[in-house]
Formats: sequence, C-alpha cells, structure tokens
Amino acid sequence: KAGVTQTPRYLIKTRGQQVTLSCSPISGHRSVSWYQQTPGQGLQFLFEYFSETQRNKGNFPGRFSGRQFSNSRSEMNVSTLELGDSALYLCASSWRGSSYEQYFGPGTRLTVT
Amino acid sequence: AQSVTQLDSQVPVFEEAPVELRCNYSSSVSVYLFWYVQYPNQGLQLLLKYLSGSTLVKGINGFEAEFNKSQTSFHLRKPSVHISDTAEYFCAVSDSNNYGQNFVFGPGTRLSVLP
Repeated sequence: KAGVTQTPRYLIKTRGQQVTLSCSPISGHRSVSWYQQTPGQGLQFLFEYFSETQRNKGNFPGRFSGRQFSNSRSEMNVSTLELGDSALYLCASSWRGSSYEQYFGPGTRLTVT
Repeated sequence: AQSVTQLDSQVPVFEEAPVELRCNYSSSVSVYLFWYVQYPNQGLQLLLKYLSGSTLVKGINGFEAEFNKSQTSFHLRKPSVHISDTAEYFCAVSDSNNYGQNFVFGPGTRLSVLP
C-alpha cells in the first residue's frame, strides 16, 4: 500500500497570502489529521476529519481551515499568512480514527517571508 | 485533558550501549500510548503502540516499551543502539474512551548515537 502523500513538499509564501496544502491518506483510511510542527511549540494538533466531517479541532485561529473529500483526500488552507505560520505541516491518516495509530506523511515545509 | 512529559530533551549515548527514553503522561481516563520516531526532514514513523493487553510492547528496529499504569509511564528502551537510531523520538497519548479524541504529543527527545 502506498503511504500518506503530501503536496507540495516545500512552499515559500509572502505575508498576507493564502496557501492550500494537500494530503492523500493511505487507501481505506477515513480519518485525516493535520499537525503543525515548529521548533518552539513542537507538534500541535490542528484538526481531524473523518468521512468528510470535522470531528475535532485544536486551538488555532480561524485562518486555519480544512476539508475532506469523498475519497478521503484532505486539504488544509491558511489565509492571511503570518511569519509565525512558518512550520512543517504534517498530515496523518488512520483507519479507525485519530485515537488509534496514525500514519504520517513526509510533511509540507511552509516558509513565510 | 491528557498531557505528556518527556523529561530528557537530549540523550547522547555511545553505539552498542543500551538506552531508555522516558515518557510520563497524565490523564483521568484510560489511554492508548504510542512512540514515534522522526528522522531529519521526514514525517513521523510509528515505532510501537499500546492499546490493551500485555504491558510490554515490542516495536520495530529492536525497540520496546513498557506500560506502567501505576506510575503513568511508557518508557522506550533498546538494548543496543546503532548510529542509524539517531533521530527525534516522540511519545504520544490518546483517550481510548473518546472516539475521535486527538493525540497529544510530548515535546520529543533527541537521541544522538555516538561512534
């Protein structure tokens, strides 16, 4: 089985712009979670989608949003980018939901200048 | 809410020596526990998990961990490390009673294996 894929792998944006990141889960997995990883804050949970519904949300501002499609692929959008949004964004998929083992993609490295 | 503590931010160890990476959690409910490894410029890879059953869990790459409910710990061990084990290790906990509850990760422990 192919693993979790994320596109693009690297991205450079300017403050104020918006960005969309994409995640394709492992085939058959219905849960997709997103995490932000920074040196200062570590791994922080953004949100989880399960069967196209947002099931859980972390403590991030409304500029961070996401969605999941019927094929379980997920996108994450960040509007009005700030310098502090520079991070590695990781997507993880799970068959049963994020309480169980999750499988991570390689991440998208976002740099905001 | 759960929380995870990894007491050691960095652990240097010589090749072929044993290592233990410590993880303690706090939770008012029963939990699932996980260890992940992250190599430079990569995502996280699942090393092992405890969902139920035997408290001694064996994972990939020769790692094992023991769930101790009374001490709320889930320490990771390997009897003999290799240079290739140099990476960041994350302990994580999730609430087993609340389907869909998000993971909480510890701050990570950077393991450096020295020749």
